[in-house]
Amino acid sequence: DAKTTQPTSMDCAEGRAANLPCNHSTISGNEYVYWYRQIHSQGPQYIIHGLKNNETNEMASLIITEDRKSSTLILPHATLRDTAVYYCIVNPTGTASKLTFGTGTRLQVTL
Amino acid sequence: DAGVIQSPRHEVTEMGQEVTLRCKPISGHNSLFWYRQTMMRGLELLIYFNNNVPIDDSGMPEDRFSAKMPNASFSTLKIQPSEPRDSAVYFCASSLSPSGITDTQYFGPGTRLTVL
Repeated sequence: DAKTTQPTSMDCAEGRAANLPCNHSTISGNEYVYWYRQIHSQGPQYIIHGLKNNETNEMASLIITEDRKSSTLILPHATLRDTAVYYCIVNPTGTASKLTFGTGTRLQVTL
Repeated sequence: DAGVIQSPRHEVTEMGQEVTLRCKPISGHNSLFWYRQTMMRGLELLIYFNNNVPIDDSGMPEDRFSAKMPNASFSTLKIQPSEPRDSAVYFCASSLSPSGITDTQYFGPGTRLTVL
């Protein structure tokens, strides 16, 4: 019961913005959109999350459409160290909510 | 902050042996999660604890797997007896989960288990 759909892979030139899309057309009103990434041989790393408003932090920006059925993670100036698998996850509020990881998008940043 | 600490980082054992993986969550976090990652199945949740109490163990594959959290700063995942199909990377994660507020999970570096 995949709740999100992401492209399998994407390429991005170093220094350019990387825009990673995610579809979550069945998202519920109390579900947040989370983004994690996993660099090779490391544990997943939290990037950002949001409910309905756009969010920005030191790592990335998250743009959520008004109907909340899709979102885009933006890495404004991708570097080689951003090469990783990026996971988009919808997660309800509440104590100790479980994360269900899909297959994610493999982002390759190239010179 | 040292982050989530897992040990050992690598474990190679023979089929039938007991394996114990260890995790120290981030100090002050009250939820702890055990995940397993394989090429075939991706990253899947095995069990999670809240305030040291197991909340959901529906992801535990079978009775050979058991997890404990005797206190807020330590958890173990045990496999007895181990089988080659248990070979995977096992991640521990922790979070601070105030009631009613969504939480962020912080992952450890993982334990790579190989069962021969």
